[in-house]
Amino acid sequence: QGQLVQSGAEVKKPGASVRVSCKASGYTFSSHYLHWVRQVPGQGLEWIGILSPSADFARSAQKFQGRVTMTRDTSTSTVYMELSSLTSDDTAIYFCARGNWGFPLGLWGQGTLLSVSS
Amino acid sequence: EIVLTQSPGTLSLSPGERATLSCRASQSVSSGTYLAWYQQRPGQAPRLLIYGASRRATGIPDRFGGSGSGTDFTLTISRLEPEDFAVYYCHQYGDSPYTFGQGTKVEIK
Repeated sequence: QGQLVQSGAEVKKPGASVRVSCKASGYTFSSHYLHWVRQVPGQGLEWIGILSPSADFARSAQKFQGRVTMTRDTSTSTVYMELSSLTSDDTAIYFCARGNWGFPLGLWGQGTLLSVSS
Repeated sequence: EIVLTQSPGTLSLSPGERATLSCRASQSVSSGTYLAWYQQRPGQAPRLLIYGASRRATGIPDRFGGSGSGTDFTLTISRLEPEDFAVYYCHQYGDSPYTFGQGTKVEIK
């Protein structure tokens, strides 16, 4: 079935960058794309982007383009999401989730809380 | 982008009752059925319930059912169990950007 384990909570100041990791286990890392989704506490889900395991396919929502970078390390089966130029509006829980393009998100990480405050 | 609108915002029901949740898309989703439903309990990540508009994900009880195609979709919970009181999201995964509905909260009456 598999498991996705994310890095711990982060506190950042406005203008800074953050990198969140998502380590996959229990399945063939090279066979599945990974997505990033965020959720402002108490609010809905917002799709950020998708990265193929080979990193030759990446797509992000327009509002994050230029500010989000998704990478992967196949040697450790880990995917990373870096978000730059943080503002208080980026305060949210960030989830990684497994799902190939055109498929639903069948496996989710536990979430990483990012707090942005001066 | 495809906008998904869920209704109602909150559904107040008692255990054992039937729940009917709606999701309407601003345009037809890809192939008519690239629509999923997720359940999210407080403090947890979302869990996939339904995909392809009507297919139950692995391990999902058969009291959960999905229907619809094109722009109108429904999630039905035939008899609510205590663990079913949660927030439910619809999600289209056929077109970029992927989008989610705003959620329907099913609460205990």
